[in-house]
Amino acid sequence: GAGVSQTPSNKVTEKGKYVELRCDPISGHTALYWYRQSLGQGPEFLIYFQGTGAADDSGLPNDRFFAVRPEGSVSTLKIQRTERGDSAVYLCASSLTGNKNTEAFFGQGTRLTVV
Amino acid sequence: AQTVTQSQPEMSVQEAETVTLSCTYDTSESDYYLFWYKQPPSRQMILVIRQEAYKQQNATENRFSVNFQKAAKSFSLKISDSQLGDAAMYFCAYVPNAGNMLTFGGGTRLMVKP
Repeated sequence: GAGVSQTPSNKVTEKGKYVELRCDPISGHTALYWYRQSLGQGPEFLIYFQGTGAADDSGLPNDRFFAVRPEGSVSTLKIQRTERGDSAVYLCASSLTGNKNTEAFFGQGTRLTVV
Repeated sequence: AQTVTQSQPEMSVQEAETVTLSCTYDTSESDYYLFWYKQPPSRQMILVIRQEAYKQQNATENRFSVNFQKAAKSFSLKISDSQLGDAAMYFCAYVPNAGNMLTFGGGTRLMVKP
């Protein structure tokens, strides 16, 4: 596609429910990143994929959060037993190689609201 | 741990004037990259400018330029000839050469007055 696509754009869910957030990176980009942006703050790193593997998942806050990228393209961020504190904008980015010289392109994010 | 600090929650500039956004960071690394991102209401982060720490020359991109002071760990963004479309949140970000995760500052909201 032309850019990084994230679906849904907005998601409202009840506390305790399970949610999946999808990221379609730019075609051919091997590096994919998830960030979480709470209201009024800068994005915080969650996880980095290089190809199909999670090269760095040190930002995942707890074991309720999990992400996959089974074929090295689309990625899904999964949140179990959602809590109100999970409410945030979840941003996805991709880059051609993950090298710092290559630009990371961001999607428009998914705004998750847990009620 | 690396930290990035933006001390100006909000800034205002008159259209066609110049404004400078401040950013400081803390790191023990010597090789790293610094970025300024723009985030309009659409939420999409857009890269404005990038600086490699080993380059002494300040990066410039059209109306955007940086003042990179490595010893002071300072990385400010100057926007010249401000336009209404420049109004947005601006985030300073850091990544070490050996790492992959961007560390962002808390952001500065820039308002442009016509």
